[in-house]
Amino acid sequence: GENVEQHPSTLSVQEGDSAVIKCTYSDSASNYFPWYKQELGKGPQLIIDIRSNVGEKKDQRIAVTLNKTAKHFSLHITETQPEDSAVYFCAARLLTGNQFYFGTGTSLTVIP
Amino acid sequence: DSGVTQTPKHLITATGQRVTLRCSPRSGDLSVYWYQQSLDQGLQFLIQYYNGEERAKGNILERFSAQQFPDLHSELNLSSLELGDSALYFCASSVTIGPTGELFFGEGSRLTVL
Repeated sequence: GENVEQHPSTLSVQEGDSAVIKCTYSDSASNYFPWYKQELGKGPQLIIDIRSNVGEKKDQRIAVTLNKTAKHFSLHITETQPEDSAVYFCAARLLTGNQFYFGTGTSLTVIP
Repeated sequence: DSGVTQTPKHLITATGQRVTLRCSPRSGDLSVYWYQQSLDQGLQFLIQYYNGEERAKGNILERFSAQQFPDLHSELNLSSLELGDSALYFCASSVTIGPTGELFFGEGSRLTVL
């Protein structure tokens, strides 16, 4: 099966700085890579996703990049705000599979 | 609000007991996934159902079982509970079974085994 590794496990940044979270995957057949944000006491919520035929996708202050050759993808958050503090999960899904394989999560703290 | 409803939100029970967690997917979603999230752990996939049929199985223990009913709600049954089963259990739903489709998560059921 697919194996998704995520780094770092914890990340602290000053408000206004950028945050980058990186994930690698093992199966080249994976073609869909979503990112989820989990706020305290809530379930994960999709914030952005990218498919394997695209190298980069942006949505306001967040962006995701994908390098299929190296099998890694990254989440970039610019101009961080305290409300960005949460646990972020990356995931990968195989073209033919039903499962989403999640990374172990990154706890992001934005310091005001 | 994701539209996915999980009950109960919190559950405290003793070792050796059996509990049932319930999930109502978003209206129109045919696929239901169950995940376990332990302390400092990521989301461990347990099992997936699509329109009443089991479609994928992850690291689900034999003491655990699940089913999806004709009205598409799903139940996760955990039996012979052990201390290590204490975790947050999430249900997620999606419209499709194919390689695309956003997962919508419920707020989870927190199980504490004493």
